[in-house]
Amino acid sequence: DIVMTQSPDSLAVSLGERATINCKSSQSVFYSSNNKNYLAWYQHKPGQPPKLLIYWASTRESGVPDRFSGSGSGTDFTLTISSLQAEDVAVYYCQQYCSTPYSFGQGTKLEIK
Amino acid sequence: QVQLQQSGPGLVKPSQTLSLTCAISGDSVSSNSASWDWIRQSPSRGLEWLGRTYYRSKWYNDYAVSVKSRVTVNPDTSKNQFSLQLNSVTPEDTAVYYCARKNTCGMDVWGQGTTVTVSS
Repeated sequence: DIVMTQSPDSLAVSLGERATINCKSSQSVFYSSNNKNYLAWYQHKPGQPPKLLIYWASTRESGVPDRFSGSGSGTDFTLTISSLQAEDVAVYYCQQYCSTPYSFGQGTKLEIK
Repeated sequence: QVQLQQSGPGLVKPSQTLSLTCAISGDSVSSNSASWDWIRQSPSRGLEWLGRTYYRSKWYNDYAVSVKSRVTVNPDTSKNQFSLQLNSVTPEDTAVYYCARKNTCGMDVWGQGTTVTVSS
């Protein structure tokens, strides 16, 4: 099974500043057959289901603000929020959907400093 | 617009069976490009994928090893929905349960979540 590890566990950033969350997989989630990384990022707010932000490691889901970006390949990935807004306070999860069991990172709690 | 609507009890007694249903609108449980998944979240386990059902000329299922002996995910084509059954529950199964559609882009549509408490 692929184990996903996020860092840090929690993060406090000032409004307007950059937030960076890292995710590492225990095995590569890159498929050379289609040149895709099977890595997604989700935003989870209390009382709501998780929301898909980024898929294929770097493609923004429709409607997601462009301050959210994803990067990385193979086993190392990053979610960046370029200018933190108050509504971005949430827990963020990475997930590999390369093979079952689809596994999530432990989550990173993002707060305002 | 695809929507998933969950239903089922919020309280289950220990050793009994947890049963939840996820009704699909805007897509088909028989889709050849999606799978229909169940995920749960608890403070101790975080987000945990439980299993899925999907149709590729015939029906398939995959389950997490942690629950494989107790879990069943079934499609219901007549009602365009799918279900989760988890047998022999214990307090450790207390969690928020979500259904979701998974396609090639990850899990793009989620149900609203059902808080299930296992308690006598």
